[in-house]
Amino acid sequence: GESVGLHLPTLSVQEGDNSIINCAYSNSASDYFIWYKQESGKGPQFIIDIRSNMDKRQGQRVTVLLNKTVKHLSLQIAATQPGDSAVYFCAEKWGSNYKLTFGKGTLLTVNP
Amino acid sequence: NAGVTQTPKFRILKIGQSMTLQCTQDMNHNYMYWYRQDPGMGLKLIYYSVGAGITDKGEVPNGYNVSRSTTEDFPLRLELAAPSQTSVYFCASVQGVPSYNEQFFGPGTRLTVL
Repeated sequence: GESVGLHLPTLSVQEGDNSIINCAYSNSASDYFIWYKQESGKGPQFIIDIRSNMDKRQGQRVTVLLNKTVKHLSLQIAATQPGDSAVYFCAEKWGSNYKLTFGKGTLLTVNP
Repeated sequence: NAGVTQTPKFRILKIGQSMTLQCTQDMNHNYMYWYRQDPGMGLKLIYYSVGAGITDKGEVPNGYNVSRSTTEDFPLRLELAAPSQTSVYFCASVQGVPSYNEQFFGPGTRLTVL
C-alpha cells in the first residue's frame, strides 16, 4: 500500500486550547480514514473514523475533516486536556480483510 | 472482558534464538493482526488472520511465522532472531461488520535482540 504521512511530528498546546493534528495520504483508493491515540507504554486506541465519501465527522470533543482534493486529513481536539497527551496516528483502510496502513504519528503534549 | 492480552511484556533475545509471542483475545473476534512498531514510527503489519486456520502475510512478514488454531489465540513465532527484529510488537483484533475500523490492541511486547 501507499504511505500515509504526517506534516507535524510534534505539537505542544496549552490546556484548554484546541489542537489540530494533520495527516497527508496518497492512496486515493482508501475507503476509510481512521485516527488512533497511543498513550505512553500502551497499544493504540481507536478515536474516530471517516468514510471517504464524507467531509466531516464529529465525535465527543473531536472532529475529523477530510479533504480529498488535496488528500489531507485532520483531527481537531476541542478544549485539549492533559489526558490528551499522546501520539496520534492516522491510518487508512483499503482492500480486503480490514487491514490498516498507519502513518508515523504526531506527539501531542498538553501543558497545564 | 480482558480484551487483547499479550505475553511476555519484555524479552531480550540473543541473535539466532527463537521465541513465540503470545496473543489472546476474549471478544470472539475473527480478525486478528500482528504489527511491529519501531522507535518513532508507525505500525507495520506483519501477519494477519481472518479466522481460525487462515493466515496471510502483511507488509513485513520475513523472519516471522504465525498460526491460528483457535479463534482466541494468534501466536507469532520468531525462528532466528536478528537485531533488525528489535521492536515493540502489538497484536490486535477487530470484530468486523459493523465496527471494522476499531481494532483493539494489546499492551505490546518489547523485544530486544542483542
